Amino acid sequence: GESVGLHLPTLSVQEGDNSIINCAYSNSASDYFIWYKQESGKGPQFIIDIRSNMDKRQGQRVTVLLNKTVKHLSLQIAATQPGDSAVYFCAETAPDGGYSTLTFGKGTMLLVSP
Amino acid sequence: DSGVTQTPKHLITATGQRVTLRCSPRSGDLSVYWYQQSLDQGLQFLIQYYNGEERAKGNILERFSAQQFPDLHSELNLSSLELGDSALYFCASDDGTGVTEAFFGQGTRLTVV
Repeated sequence: GESVGLHLPTLSVQEGDNSIINCAYSNSASDYFIWYKQESGKGPQFIIDIRSNMDKRQGQRVTVLLNKTVKHLSLQIAATQPGDSAVYFCAETAPDGGYSTLTFGKGTMLLVSP
Repeated sequence: DSGVTQTPKHLITATGQRVTLRCSPRSGDLSVYWYQQSLDQGLQFLIQYYNGEERAKGNILERFSAQQFPDLHSELNLSSLELGDSALYFCASDDGTGVTEAFFGQGTRLTVV
């Protein structure tokens, strides 16, 4: 498959650990944020989103935290599994913006060892 | 499987040439987005079509153009190719309302030599 993570920061964890991936966003006016997972050879896959009127949102094994004061977003993955190995990146969009206005971060590669 | 189909999966061509990338959106989706992903730039939005008409334009070069056909499939045309155009090109589709998530295809890897 194709790799898009050759020059990305890397987080290496053991299977079963909790993982935390961080993202600093740029636009203080952004009000909608998405985390994507991209496996080698595949397109980005939506994981979880959050709007700026929230500071936490939980999904299945994933939690997104938003700190608007410092423009910081984090993705927490509980009980990380080898299948979670991928590049993760955040995206932000301005008010009333749609997918055409998404600004994507560069990403973090997550490597999960069995 | 996201339901978005892109062809070809890989493309190798020489500088100065022209190529066409194709995208079939998910059934029922009216909107198609094209993105370019390179190692140093990350994912960059190029252009959006909705029901056959251009809706939004991003960082798309003048050498690049796109269209969406009546059957809603879309094509991205890249001409006068340069080495720096080598990248992954993704297509995504949604219903165009801005409410539902967009689904990405598996991409076309373009290599310009």
